[in-house]
Amino acid sequence: AQSVTQPDIHITVSEGASLELRCNYSYGATPYLFWYVQSPGQGLQLLLKYFSGDTLVQGIKGFEAEFKRSQSSFNLRKPSVHWSDAAEYFCRTTGNQFYFGTGTSLTVIP
Amino acid sequence: NAGVTQTPKFQVLKTGQSMTLQCAQDMNHEYMSWYRQDPGMGLRLIHYSVGAGITDQGEVPNGYNVSRSTTEDFPLRLLSAAPSQTSVYFCASSRRRGEKEKLFFGSGTQLSVL
Repeated sequence: AQSVTQPDIHITVSEGASLELRCNYSYGATPYLFWYVQSPGQGLQLLLKYFSGDTLVQGIKGFEAEFKRSQSSFNLRKPSVHWSDAAEYFCRTTGNQFYFGTGTSLTVIP
Repeated sequence: NAGVTQTPKFQVLKTGQSMTLQCAQDMNHEYMSWYRQDPGMGLRLIHYSVGAGITDQGEVPNGYNVSRSTTEDFPLRLLSAAPSQTSVYFCASSRRRGEKEKLFFGSGTQLSVL
């Protein structure tokens, strides 16, 4: 069955530093992968998605993610984090249902 | 364009009380679903619907009922609330059930059961 794992429960970075959030998937074929962001008190907003083709995908808010089949990963990156990026981030894959990871909480310190 | 609207935003119940969480979407989406979000557990699917009159169970359906009489509305009913149902609930919809579909989320309902 399809699933995603987010190994990091919580990450703290300094404003202006680079960011990488990890997502590992479990699926035999090429999966469809998504990253969502949840700001405090809000629902989830789609950042980016990967279906096929170019393994580096660009999203909103300056985020990007790279699909690496050899590592079964779809890590989310941002070159320079802003204080407003503090939020919860969820990786998602799909099968018969939509499968979400357990989320990574990002804290940004000044 | 309202998108997905959930009401109420906050609710406190006593054990054994019943209530309905409302969810409405104005995008003519076929697929609607309810998730609960708990610390360290991510989002877990409670129930979903692929169209009016069609519902099915998700990962954690016990203690919850749903119905889908119209395309727009997908209420979630707690028949006899328990403290274990204290959580944040999200309604989400998509054009249809499909692997590539984008999910649109409501802003959530924070429920506390005392």
